[in-house]
Amino acid sequence: DTGVSQNPRHKITKRGQNVTFRCDPISEHNRLYWYRQTLGQGPEFLTYFQNEAQLEKSRLLSDRFSAERPKGSFSTLEIQRTEQGDSAMYLCASSLGTGTTKQFFGPGTRLTVL
Amino acid sequence: KQEVTQIPAALSVPEGENLVLNCSFTDSAIYNLQWFRQDPGKGLTSLLLIQSSQREQTSGRLNASLDKSSGRSTLYIAASQPGDSATYLCAVEGPGTYKYIFGTGTRLKVLA
Repeated sequence: DTGVSQNPRHKITKRGQNVTFRCDPISEHNRLYWYRQTLGQGPEFLTYFQNEAQLEKSRLLSDRFSAERPKGSFSTLEIQRTEQGDSAMYLCASSLGTGTTKQFFGPGTRLTVL
Repeated sequence: KQEVTQIPAALSVPEGENLVLNCSFTDSAIYNLQWFRQDPGKGLTSLLLIQSSQREQTSGRLNASLDKSSGRSTLYIAASQPGDSATYLCAVEGPGTYKYIFGTGTRLKVLA
């Protein structure tokens, strides 16, 4: 399978705990994106990487959120001191990164903060 | 600031009907537009991508058109089937960024 993979698929945590999600993009893709989707809404952009460089961050990405892509391959998204408002589906996507190209999405990680 | 709107928000049709879903965007200087399907609790499945220089794309029973000057795209589904029931999202890329801006989706239900 050469699609985008995300782990874990589901995460339940208590308010105040830290959580980390992982995304493995399609192997030859240079760009990697994170989006967040709440119930009944379309996905909202959080951040994206070109190789290991984080090129754009949304204002939605508060100080509690941090994303990394250390070797330009997989990426992690960490949320510190989770709040109930962080409950959402976190989606990762990747694209070739030359010009404008199609984004391929992973299955998402559903986070529930109790 | 780019904004994307999808109308209608929800649609219920009998099996076999042809239907049109609408997407509008405020800034016409987009790089491309992509239509997705999303089943409940699942990720996004790409349906069609239209580059800014293209007018339409077709795949099976699906046809998507793009009119950049008016900031509109339509997704046409022919001979709808119960398996088409899902939420359909459109997303635009650009201008000046490679991130996608999504609409809120159209929730489609095809009745058998």
